[in-house]
Amino acid sequence: SAVISQKPSRDICQRGTSLTIQCQVDSQVTMMFWYRQQPGQSLTLIATANQGSEATYESGFVIDKFPISRPNLTFSTLTVSNLSPEDSSIYLCSVGGGRREQYFGPGTRLTVT
Amino acid sequence: DQQVKQNSPSLSVQEGRISILNCDYTNSMFDYFLWYKKYPAEGPTFLISISSIKDKNEDGRFTVFLNKSAKHLSLHIVPSQPGDSAVYFCAASGTGTASKLTFGTGTRLQVTL
Repeated sequence: SAVISQKPSRDICQRGTSLTIQCQVDSQVTMMFWYRQQPGQSLTLIATANQGSEATYESGFVIDKFPISRPNLTFSTLTVSNLSPEDSSIYLCSVGGGRREQYFGPGTRLTVT
Repeated sequence: DQQVKQNSPSLSVQEGRISILNCDYTNSMFDYFLWYKKYPAEGPTFLISISSIKDKNEDGRFTVFLNKSAKHLSLHIVPSQPGDSAVYFCAASGTGTASKLTFGTGTRLQVTL
């Protein structure tokens, strides 16, 4: 399985600002995914990021709020814009495995004050 | 609409005994199911998966059972060890959306000495 790192591991941000989360993979992968886990909740897919194309967003998530970049096959960023306390969550990136399994990074814990 | 449900938020089992974690789903299009384990401050770790063409898959101490007619799957851990204490998520993937995982809300397993 791929080794995935995320930066930052945690951050505290003021409302109205933005946070950009980086996801780095140790091998080239076609598909990368971004998830959100709100406190006490399940993991919810935000978007799928393929290199060379626009990210595909799930219902309830929009590009203006969660812009994603995928400049190459080993890297992606997720920006959470115009932060509000409701954005306080753990944000996780993942990559596809051999079949349908996905492998996850360690997550970024965001607290919005 | 929660398509993947884990109705037990927590479970406590003695070391050496069997842990049984349950998961129900509602979407008939799901044809691939996965279990993940998550420790605090870490990303989910893939454990085991099963395709809908099977009713059982075993990997060491972990066995997943699938009952398609009941739309129910379970994860058995035998014997349970203190290191198994974590939050367990089941996830499902559907035909045509093979890359997308829908997660349950998780069950916190505590293995006691």
